[in-house]
Formats: sequence, structure tokens, C-alpha cells
Amino acid sequence: ILNVEQSPQSLHVQEGDSTNFTCSFPSSNFYALHWYRWETAKSPEALFVMTLNGDEKKKGRISATLNTKEGYSYLYIKGSQPEDSATYLCAFGRDDNQGGKLIFGQGTELSVKP
Amino acid sequence: DADVTQTPRNRITKTGKRIMLECSQTKGHDRMYWYRQDPGLGLRLIYYSFDVKDINKGEISDGYSVSRQAQAKFSLSLESAIPNQTALYFCATSDFGQNQPQHFGDGTRLSIL
Repeated sequence: ILNVEQSPQSLHVQEGDSTNFTCSFPSSNFYALHWYRWETAKSPEALFVMTLNGDEKKKGRISATLNTKEGYSYLYIKGSQPEDSATYLCAFGRDDNQGGKLIFGQGTELSVKP
Repeated sequence: DADVTQTPRNRITKTGKRIMLECSQTKGHDRMYWYRQDPGLGLRLIYYSFDVKDINKGEISDGYSVSRQAQAKFSLSLESAIPNQTALYFCATSDFGQNQPQHFGDGTRLSIL
């Protein structure tokens, strides 16, 4: 069984704080690592897809890094705003000729207080 | 209009009933997926399909079946619903490859009494 673990499970920060959370995944047979943002009552939306060790992606105040050798990815949010409140999901794609199938972590629930 | 549409959005039904959840997409993707989400757990894959003639079991397929009627349509059935199938169900689509993002519908909240 392949495990994708996210930490922390939940996080409460004040507006303006910068924060980060972790996704751990198997380091063997790596193909891709996805990050999704899931707001309450909406559908998950893709933030980043990373495929190369050392990849760094950025979208506005949100960025992500990838270490495939040790099996982890960090998601950073700089200067958190209340609208950043959501559950952030990571998902691991394995190189096993089953292209497209992902294994999701349980998510990190972020709450940003004004 | 949403690119990935799920119907119904909400459903309450009784144990033993047959239920069908439908998903249609306008993105032109070959790959479609059904997930369920339970509190404290990540999205778990029920079934997936890489094209019209392809159906594959995910990690929690027991008690479910699917039909890929066309490239744009992928339906999930619960033949005889049981209370522990109460969950939020998502349909998703993607292009070929794990490096392609998945695009999700708005979800179906299913309650089985």
C-alpha cells in the first residue's frame, strides 16, 4: 500500500502570517506530485504539478518545492489572507504504466483569521 | 457552464436502494475517475477509465460499479446502498499522464439511511 502523508492535519494562522506544510510520498517510482486547493462547498482545483527533483513552482503568494530523492514536497503561502482558507491536498503519481492514477494525502486544512 | 458536471448534487436514500451518480464533461479528456471523500481521509479512488473501452478498479471498488457510456460520460452505481457508503463523491477528468492535472466536478453528497 502506498502512503501519502500530509502534515499538519490542520493549521490556524493570523492574516499576514506566512505558513508552510508538508507532503511525504514514496521516493521510489516517482512520476509526478500534484497540489490541489479545495475550498468548502467547491471542487478541488489544481495548483501545481511537479515532475522533476528540485522543481519549484509559484503562483502569486503560493509556492511549492519538490524533493523526489527523499520523498517530500513543501507548499508555502506568503502573507496568508482569509481567502487562502481551504484544504490543501497533495497527490502522488507513480511511474507504473498506469498514467493518470493518483494517490491523495488526507489534506491540510488551513484557516486564516482576519 | 461547468466543464465537469455531476448529478445529482445531493441525494438521500435508504439502505438497499440502487443509486446512480452521473458525470459528464466537456473538456474532451479521455480519462475519467470516481473518488469518494470521507472526513479525515483523502480522496480515495473507486474506479477509473482511460477511454471508452477501458474500466479499472481503484482501491475501494467493492459495492460499486461503473459504466463509461461515451467519452464524455462516466456513471457510478451503488447496486444496493449501505450506510457506510455515505460520503462525498467526486468525478474527475484528465489528459493522458500523471503530469496532467485532474479537473473535478462539484461533488455529490450522498446520505444512506
